[in-house]
Amino acid sequence: NAGVTQTPKFRILKIGQSMTLQCAQDMNHNYMYWYRQDPGMGLKLIYYSVGAGITDKGEVPNGYNVSRSTTEDFPLRLELAAPSQTSVYFCASSYLGEGLGYTFGSGTRLTVV
Amino acid sequence: TQLLEQSPQFLSIQEGENLTVYCNSSSVFSSLQWYRQEPGEGPVLLVTVVTGGEVKKLKRLTFQFGDARKDSSLHITAAQPGDTGLYLCAGGGNTDKLIFGTGTRLQVFP
Repeated sequence: NAGVTQTPKFRILKIGQSMTLQCAQDMNHNYMYWYRQDPGMGLKLIYYSVGAGITDKGEVPNGYNVSRSTTEDFPLRLELAAPSQTSVYFCASSYLGEGLGYTFGSGTRLTVV
Repeated sequence: TQLLEQSPQFLSIQEGENLTVYCNSSSVFSSLQWYRQEPGEGPVLLVTVVTGGEVKKLKRLTFQFGDARKDSSLHITAAQPGDTGLYLCAGGGNTDKLIFGTGTRLQVFP
């Protein structure tokens, strides 16, 4: 039972490059989320989705895009990477939204230089 | 904007000591969750509380939801090195998404 799988685990980008962070879950969860965590801090919501074909902005969406074409996958796209996007990115999923808690992936550590 | 402030931000204690971590907000939440995060890993759900005044125990950990559902506390009895990690509270408000607290980093020395 894999849960939430994130790839890659680590990545170094140059300023202005683009990349896609992958997130897949095998629990048939409708709700999926992307958070970023800066050093020693809590989690800030970037984007979320309540089902295939539906996405919405969170607290810090600028510089990112998402799509949700299937229930299982929720990729996060970074366009024109900037040093301010250096962070650890976590994907999470939930069966019924926030009430039953989230299952998190193990994160992607991104450095923009 | 809903905010969850945790205190203390850092806590360094000896094995066997007791400790309490606080999570406070000016907003009312329909549910409050606590997560623990270890280095290099994602947060893992410890508990969910949904009723004002509710108390839940998980071995040496005791969680309480404030009567007004604006705050919560996590008490650890006889802390062990395995309790080391980042503790995060998170509030739900029937908005499909959680608001996470600022985090408390706990270090327990043997």
